[in-house]
Amino acid sequence: GAGVSQSPSNKVTEKGKDVELRCDPISGHTALYWYRQSLGQGLEFLIYFQGNSAPDKSGLPSDRFSAERTGGSVSTLTIQRTQQEDSAVYLCASSLGGGAYEQYFGPGTRLTVT
Amino acid sequence: EDQVTQSPEALRLQEGESSSLNCSYTVSGLRGLFWYRQDPGKGPEFLFTLYSAGEEKEKERLKATLTKKESFLHITAPKPEDSATYLCAGRDSNYQLIWGAGTKLIIKP
Repeated sequence: GAGVSQSPSNKVTEKGKDVELRCDPISGHTALYWYRQSLGQGLEFLIYFQGNSAPDKSGLPSDRFSAERTGGSVSTLTIQRTQQEDSAVYLCASSLGGGAYEQYFGPGTRLTVT
Repeated sequence: EDQVTQSPEALRLQEGESSSLNCSYTVSGLRGLFWYRQDPGKGPEFLFTLYSAGEEKEKERLKATLTKKESFLHITAPKPEDSATYLCAGRDSNYQLIWGAGTKLIIKP
């Protein structure tokens, strides 16, 4: 079946502009995660959605970052007033349920802020 | 503070040369140790979950093992297609994954 998909695959933006990154999870997966991966570093947790529960936003690095998940499926990560330090690969993952299940990742969106 | 450390950062092997990758962890209330494989330009691909010390899991040329302080990913007679970055992560008591920085494995034919 279809895996996790993300769009766009690459995004180049100017400093100060807003960007939206999209994630389509695996059908039937109730949990959705966003991570950030910088070169040479481990994945950094950003936000976690589980069903209709309030999202766990504890990993968002600043109030410029926000995410929503509509209809329990597609999610959008928005970064406002982008900064050069936001340049990274943004990965989305989904799982069958909450944290007890393994996560399946999309291919990521490479964001470059110039 | 919870932490996962992987070593070495990079490992170059000849085809057929067996070796091990290390993942040391200090994760409170560990709820599983995960191994993933990541190819360039792709997201991580799930390999194994280990839950208790002494547990082992195998898949083709890979075997993962777990002790109370570390996990090893053993690769036996590797092939060039095994070249990738291998990531490990510990799941904490809040069911969040704490990730290591990865080991980049290069297998030369």
